[in-house]
Amino acid sequence: GQQLNQSPQSMFIQEGEDVSMNCTSSSIFNTWLWYKQDPGEGPVLLIALYKAGELTSNGRLTAQFGITRKDSFLNISASIPSDVGIYFCAGQRETSGSRLTFGEGTQLTVNP
Amino acid sequence: DTEVTQTPKHLVMGMTNKKSLKCEQHMGHRAMYWYKQKAKKPPELMFVYSYEKLSINESVPSRFSPECPNSSLLNLHLHALQPEDSALYLCASSQPPGLAGRVDTQYFGPGTRLTVL
Repeated sequence: GQQLNQSPQSMFIQEGEDVSMNCTSSSIFNTWLWYKQDPGEGPVLLIALYKAGELTSNGRLTAQFGITRKDSFLNISASIPSDVGIYFCAGQRETSGSRLTFGEGTQLTVNP
Repeated sequence: DTEVTQTPKHLVMGMTNKKSLKCEQHMGHRAMYWYKQKAKKPPELMFVYSYEKLSINESVPSRFSPECPNSSLLNLHLHALQPEDSALYLCASSQPPGLAGRVDTQYFGPGTRLTVL
């Protein structure tokens, strides 16, 4: 099915640096979700966004639902080694029922 | 409690074997999902159960057979699988779409790592 354009595909950063990743689409979404997945584990929900323009924080994480409803970004401040993993965005439309559309993921590596 | 549990954690099976994956949630969710995930790729939806009834089958081969015995349990029965079916199988749960179409957040289990020999 259609997938979101998630970038960057991978990031290599030093501990303490800030990180930004985003997802864009040509279609409107009603919900944006950001998940983190560690190797061999299931995705863990980080932040859920339900309203255009919404800005939500969860500790060092901040995510925003784009005003056009076609994009979202996730920022991580002051990265630490345990931030390593794959970050997925996912969007949901009212017309798609239970289906989520996933981005391809951003692989984050944090060097101590 | 936002926990979805899955058993087994790992499963190795031959192409002639029959096995089952199990998923359980106690969040009162009435929608449950099976996803398949290949390495470094996003999850791919396989099946959705809503109020214990199959609502979505994403053209999955019949060698995968889902079952929802009650609102807390979801099984995936496997038979005559192929090596290319080796993957991480994820279960998720949420509330079903409401009247306005909005779907509650999906919570994922830890997955079952399946290897087909």
